[in-house]
Amino acid sequence: NAGVMQNPRHLVRRRGQEARLRCSPMKGHSHVYWYRQLPEEGLKFMVYLQKENIIDESGMPKERFSAEFPKEGPSILRIQQVVRGDSAAYFCASSPSSDEQYFGPGTRLTVT
Amino acid sequence: GEDVEQSLFLSVREGDSSVINCTYTDSSSTYLYWYKQEPGAGLQLLTYIFSNMDMKQDQRLTVLLNKKDKHLSLRIADTQTGDSAIYFCAEKPGNTPLVFGKGTRLSVIA
Repeated sequence: NAGVMQNPRHLVRRRGQEARLRCSPMKGHSHVYWYRQLPEEGLKFMVYLQKENIIDESGMPKERFSAEFPKEGPSILRIQQVVRGDSAAYFCASSPSSDEQYFGPGTRLTVT
Repeated sequence: GEDVEQSLFLSVREGDSSVINCTYTDSSSTYLYWYKQEPGAGLQLLTYIFSNMDMKQDQRLTVLLNKKDKHLSLRIADTQTGDSAIYFCAEKPGNTPLVFGKGTRLSVIA
C-alpha cells in the first residue's frame, strides 16, 4: 500500500503566477487534509476535504487559495497570484476516518 | 484558545534516554499524537495515545499522559543518531483538525 503521494516535491513560481499542488491519498482513505509549514514553525491546518466536499476550510486564506478533492483523481490545492509570503512547505495528510492522519512528503513552494 | 507548547531544542548523548515534553490546552482532546520529521521530509506518525490512557509503550518509545496537568511526554530509550529529527506533539480537540506544537529539535551527540 503506497503512502500518501504529493507532487511536485519542489515548485518554484514567480510572483503573480499560479501554483497547483497535488495530493493522492493512501488507498482506501477518503479524508484529506492540507497543512502549511512556515520555516521553523509547526504545521498549521488549512482545509479538510472528503470526496467532492469541503468539510472545514477555517484555516484557508479567504483569497487566492482554493482546494478540491474530486470524485476521481488527486486532491488539488491551488494558489493564485502567488506572493513571497506563500513560500512554505505544504503537506497533505490522508485518513481512513477522522482520527489517524498519515502525511505525504510535502511540496516545497518557493516564490521568487 | 488552542495552543500546544513544546521546548524548541533538546540535546542528548547517544545511548541516553530522551524526554520530549508537551503541554496542550484542550481537555476535550480525544487523541494526542507524536510525529517525527526528518530534514526535508514529511511527518511520520510515531505513536498516539487515547485520552483515557496514562501510558503507552511501543519498543523504545514510551508516551506518558497527565490529563490533570495537560502534559504529554515522549521518552526515547537508548537514543541513536538516527533519532535526530524534529518531534511534533499534536492534539485533536473533538472533531476538529490536528493542532500542532512548533516542534522540538532533537540532536543526538555521538
